[in-house]
Amino acid sequence: AQTVTQSQPEMSVQEAETVTLSCTYDTSESDYYLFWYKQPPSRQMILVIRQEAYKQQNATENRFSVNFQKAAKSFSLKISDSQLGDAAMYFCAYRKETSGSRLTFGEGTQLTVNP
Amino acid sequence: EAGVAQSPRYKIIEKRQSVAFWCNPISGHATLYWYQQILGQGPKLLIQFQNNGVVDDSQLPKDRFSAERLKGVDSTLKIQPAKLEDSAVYLCASSPRQGLNEKLFFGSGTQLSVL
Repeated sequence: AQTVTQSQPEMSVQEAETVTLSCTYDTSESDYYLFWYKQPPSRQMILVIRQEAYKQQNATENRFSVNFQKAAKSFSLKISDSQLGDAAMYFCAYRKETSGSRLTFGEGTQLTVNP
Repeated sequence: EAGVAQSPRYKIIEKRQSVAFWCNPISGHATLYWYQQILGQGPKLLIQFQNNGVVDDSQLPKDRFSAERLKGVDSTLKIQPAKLEDSAVYLCASSPRQGLNEKLFFGSGTQLSVL
């Protein structure tokens, strides 16, 4: 079974600084998808960024970028120029490339942004 | 565009009672998901519908949980009878298709407390 591990239960960053959230996963598949979701106190999960495993280029969405290391099964999220609105729970998620496969989430990292 | 609607937002019941949650996905979205998120954990898929058919219910405790999606639109998740360990946030999500790279749109969830 696939597992997703986020080893940092909590992280904090100063406003305007950069922070990196870690994620590792375990899979025997060669093709799959990886995601980072953000969950603010409103509880509504919001997709931040996604990465196809077959793509070597790291995905980027404005201030958010990933460092995807397929051999190491690592998928970290970098947030640049952190803003107060970035404070939330962040979840890493995995989905294998099979029709109907489920999205498997990690345990989450609580990010605090200090003014 | 209206988002995924869920109700109620909060529910408190005693163990052995029954409870039902309702979800109305984004109009036109064929795929609907119910996730259970226990405090301090990532969401876990309970059931996935494609239109009104079940795609994956392997992690649904079928002795007490049931779900339906009549007419392939809105959905109801029921717990009967509830146990203390069912205390969690129940998130509903939808996506336009069943594609593996599809973005999931989440509702704000129902927070259930079983006393």
